[in-house]
Parts: sequence; C-alpha cells; structure tokens
Amino acid sequence: DSGVTQTPKHLITATGQRVTLRCSPRSGDLSVYWYQQSLDQGLQFLIQYYNGEERAKGNILERFSAQQFPDLHSELNLSSLELGDSALYFCASSVVEGSTDTQYFGPGTRLTVL
Amino acid sequence: GNSVTQMEGPVTLSEEAFLTINCTYTATGYPSLFWYVQYPGEGLQLLLKATKADDKGSNKGFEATYRKETTSFHLEKGSVQVSDSAVYFCALQPGNQFYFGTGTSLTVIP
Repeated sequence: DSGVTQTPKHLITATGQRVTLRCSPRSGDLSVYWYQQSLDQGLQFLIQYYNGEERAKGNILERFSAQQFPDLHSELNLSSLELGDSALYFCASSVVEGSTDTQYFGPGTRLTVL
Repeated sequence: GNSVTQMEGPVTLSEEAFLTINCTYTATGYPSLFWYVQYPGEGLQLLLKATKADDKGSNKGFEATYRKETTSFHLEKGSVQVSDSAVYFCALQPGNQFYFGTGTSLTVIP
C-alpha cells in the first residue's frame, strides 16, 4: 500500500459525459501528478500540482482539467468524454519536487467510456 | 527533447534465469533515472533509482547502473522468480516532469 488513495476504482460512463476522479496523496506529500495509461500510448504524464499550484503540464487535452485543494487532495475532471478516453488514470504523490524526487502511485481509476 | 526507449516485450523466462531489460534515454542536463514495477491490477511501485552517473540502484535482487556514456539504465536480475512476473517501466526525471518508457511485460514460468 503506497498510501495514495484514488476513487472511484472503476467508472463506466457514456460519450459526451463529464467525470471527476479524486486523489488523496500520502500524508505530508505536497506534490501530485496525474497520468493516463492506455494500451496504445503507454503511461502519459498529464499534469503536476505542488501545494495547490500547477507546476508542469504534459499531454493533457483541453477537455481535461485538474486542481489541488488546500487539504492537498486533487481532482481530475474529464469532460466531453470520447471512446478514446477509456484508460487507467493514475495519481502519484511525492514529498517535494526536484531531481531526486520519488513518486508513490495510487491504485488507479479505470475509466470506461461506452 | 526528453524520452525513454525501452526493450519491447513481452519477455518470458524460466525460473532462475538471468534477466536483462534494456533502457536507453535522451535527456537534457543530468536526469535521475528510475525503474518502476507494476503488478497485475495495481499501481506502479518504485523498484530502484539512481541520481547521477555511475550510481547503481538496487532492490530485491534487481540492479541497474546509470551509464552516462551510453545513456543507458538497463535492469538486471541474476535469478528471477515467478513472483517477479509484472510490467517494468524505465523512467527519467530531468526536472519536474517524469518520462516513462512503454513498459516491458515479464512472465516467469516455473
């Protein structure tokens, strides 16, 4: 158990809908990362927050957005869902940001768009 | 740019065989290098890391050496077990962002 929790574990929805994925980092970790893992694209970095502020952006679509709240939990919002958004979404947390940072991953949320 | 190229899988080995999973990278500056492992149905777990050239990361019998001259970070284990069956990801951290390889699936058969 990494100490990172993600809810829900599974999510099934229809195209065009909007969903919110939630992540609670390990106690004391200030940094949260979001990743998308799909069969054809592997593990793709989406976005990083540090203590409530956006710090880095990866391959995140405009239909997706995220935020980190004062209690440090984070939410990833996915809207106008398409079939291709079906994937595993992982959250990871770390204590600090920097060159020796280690990320601890949550168990993931499996999103299925029908 | 920054990228990681990982050996294609899947890899199938017999128990007690020697394992090598190749990883090479392209990066600006002096990145940290990581190997993560993902067991079925779970998130990624850090296996080992190295933060500078010639560092050797090791854990659970796995090891990898940061080779700047060949821009490589190959994962090795002398004698694999059935419980090592998983997907292994090489990763690069040049700054705030992590870059992951596509993963190599390993199956160890008794």
